[in-house]
Amino acid sequence: NAGVTQTPKFRVLKTGQSMTLLCAQDMNHEYMYWYRQDPGMGLRLIHYSVGEGTTAKGEVPDGYNVSRLKKQNFLLGLESAAPSQTSVYFCASSSMKEGERGKNIQYFGAGTRLSVL
Amino acid sequence: QQQVKQSPQSLIVQKGGIPIINCAYENTAFDYFPWYQQFPGKGPALLIAIRPDVSEKKEGRFTISFNKSAKQFSLHIMDSQPGDSATYFCAARATTSYDKVIFGPGTSLSVIP
Repeated sequence: NAGVTQTPKFRVLKTGQSMTLLCAQDMNHEYMYWYRQDPGMGLRLIHYSVGEGTTAKGEVPDGYNVSRLKKQNFLLGLESAAPSQTSVYFCASSSMKEGERGKNIQYFGAGTRLSVL
Repeated sequence: QQQVKQSPQSLIVQKGGIPIINCAYENTAFDYFPWYQQFPGKGPALLIAIRPDVSEKKEGRFTISFNKSAKQFSLHIMDSQPGDSATYFCAARATTSYDKVIFGPGTSLSVIP
């Protein structure tokens, strides 16, 4: 199984450019998440989705938009990139069934390293 | 109240030593505490997890100790190896918000031969 796949792996943008990060999971998970990871700040939740067609804001949603048109895909968009959005972005997914059992094992992709100049 | 605190920020131990990473939380609604391990260039992966109704959980060389009254928990790595060198994140989740996990800032562990 591929698990959680993120594309692209690396990207350099100029300020003001837009781009979309793609996350795909093949585990039939209901929940999907986008995080950003910055030195000394751990993982901060940007947006998440509890099912196809639904999205919700996380801790740091400003400057980002998301869409979950298909259960297996979760897209993160930057409409007008800013240097403050230079970061490593991680997508994760988890199973609702595990959530109901009181767990939340999140499976992460390998990350997208984004630099905004 | 959602914050999870973690210390130290970085840790260097010799092979065979027992690194200890400490975490603390405030939100008493948290009822599931996972630890994630992240190697350079990779995404985090679940290492071990504990519920507050037990004081200790062991999986191989990894042990979580949990102090519910102090709202603190820690990760111990017995007989540490250079292959354990990674960043470790503690985290917490409340059953009432089972779709969200709050992560600590991480600890960078280096195990030197």
